[in-house]
Amino acid sequence: QKEVEQNSGPLSVPEGAIASLNCTYSDRVSQSFFWYRQYSGKSPELIMSIYSNGDKEDGRFTAQLNKASQYVSLLIRDSQPSDSATYLCAVPDNYGQNFVFGPGTRLSVLP
Amino acid sequence: NAGVTQTPKFRILKIGQSMTLQCTQDMNHNYMYWYRQDPGMGLKLIYYSVGAGITDKGEVPNGYNVSRSTTEDFPLRLELAAPSQTSVYFCASSYSNPGQEATNEKLFFGSGTQLSVL
Repeated sequence: QKEVEQNSGPLSVPEGAIASLNCTYSDRVSQSFFWYRQYSGKSPELIMSIYSNGDKEDGRFTAQLNKASQYVSLLIRDSQPSDSATYLCAVPDNYGQNFVFGPGTRLSVLP
Repeated sequence: NAGVTQTPKFRILKIGQSMTLQCTQDMNHNYMYWYRQDPGMGLKLIYYSVGAGITDKGEVPNGYNVSRSTTEDFPLRLELAAPSQTSVYFCASSYSNPGQEATNEKLFFGSGTQLSVL
């Protein structure tokens, strides 16, 4: 069973700072990586996907992928209180049939 | 657009009772999934389906059953509820599987069902 690990939280950052969320995965087969955001009491929603080594930027969000190190991160620039949520990392399972999720990192952005 | 619809939103069961969580999607997606999420934890896959008539076990299938008679519907059945099944349940769908190649395939989630077994 593929393992997906995330940095333990909760992570607290002041408003306007950069929040850095990390995710590691257990094998070298994975090609695609996903970051979902989940507000308290709500369902997850996709915010970023990445499959090429390097950086992918979308507004204030940047995903960084390093396949050799089996590591993917999510940076949130100019963090806002509305970014306070749990962030889930997901990768395809060993057979590409479904998604394996990490435990999530809870982010709190303090005004 | 309705997307993925789950019912009920909340339910309290007594130990040993049975119930069915309903899930329907109107996006003509082939793939459907049932996840459970325990407090402070990620999502664990219970069952999934790659199309009508085809289902398969996920990571935590014990105590659950599913069926997929149509593309739209994917109900989850709890036969003998146990306190360990207290959790939030999410149904999700996707057009295709994530595969092992680069993909932007994403999951569409329902709003969840909070289930308590007492």
